[in-house]
Amino acid sequence: NAGVTQTPKFRILKIGQSMTLQCTQDMNHNYMYWYRQDPGMGLKLIYYSVGAGITDKGEVPNGYNVSRSTTEDFPLRLELAAPSQTSVYFCASSYSDSISGANVLTFGAGSRLTVL
Amino acid sequence: GQNIDQPTEMTATEGAIVQINCTYQTSGFNGLFWYQQHAGEAPTFLSYNVLDGLEEKGRFSSFLSRSKGYSYLLLKELQMKDSASYLCAVTDSNYQLIWGAGTKLIIKP
Repeated sequence: NAGVTQTPKFRILKIGQSMTLQCTQDMNHNYMYWYRQDPGMGLKLIYYSVGAGITDKGEVPNGYNVSRSTTEDFPLRLELAAPSQTSVYFCASSYSDSISGANVLTFGAGSRLTVL
Repeated sequence: GQNIDQPTEMTATEGAIVQINCTYQTSGFNGLFWYQQHAGEAPTFLSYNVLDGLEEKGRFSSFLSRSKGYSYLLLKELQMKDSASYLCAVTDSNYQLIWGAGTKLIIKP
């Protein structure tokens, strides 16, 4: 199993450009998430999905869009890149642990985005 | 507002024991997680507590007191590879995960 795969790992964008961060998982998890991580701050939830065809806003959705056409894929789109979107982005999927019931997240390796 | 507090940075010696504290103020509580994150890598799951008490998993243990809004992660027999950030996260009443900023642990030989 590859787990959660994110691409690209690094990207530099100019202000106003658009791009899509790709995320795919092969664990058949229903729940998927996009987080951003900024220095000195906790992970912030951008969008999440509880299953194919269903997406919901997280804490910081402005400037982003997502889609979930299949269980495996959950791409994140930046339409008009701004310097405030410079961050490290993590895609994650989750499963319910059979013993504890905990909703455990499995993260992708991250995508470092710089907007200049 | 919802808040999770952890020390920003801690230093410990190889072979020693270190305790990383986490205090939380959230709207409701449905479990507390600890994740480990090495520099430049993704967070990985370490432990989960939903009831008061100590959960032991090898060299790592995690403690929870719901009445005090407090948890700690205890790392024993420290190894150089334990140098990482340790993230505390709490699931609130809406099952949303609230993350602390993380504690950077530096291990010295």
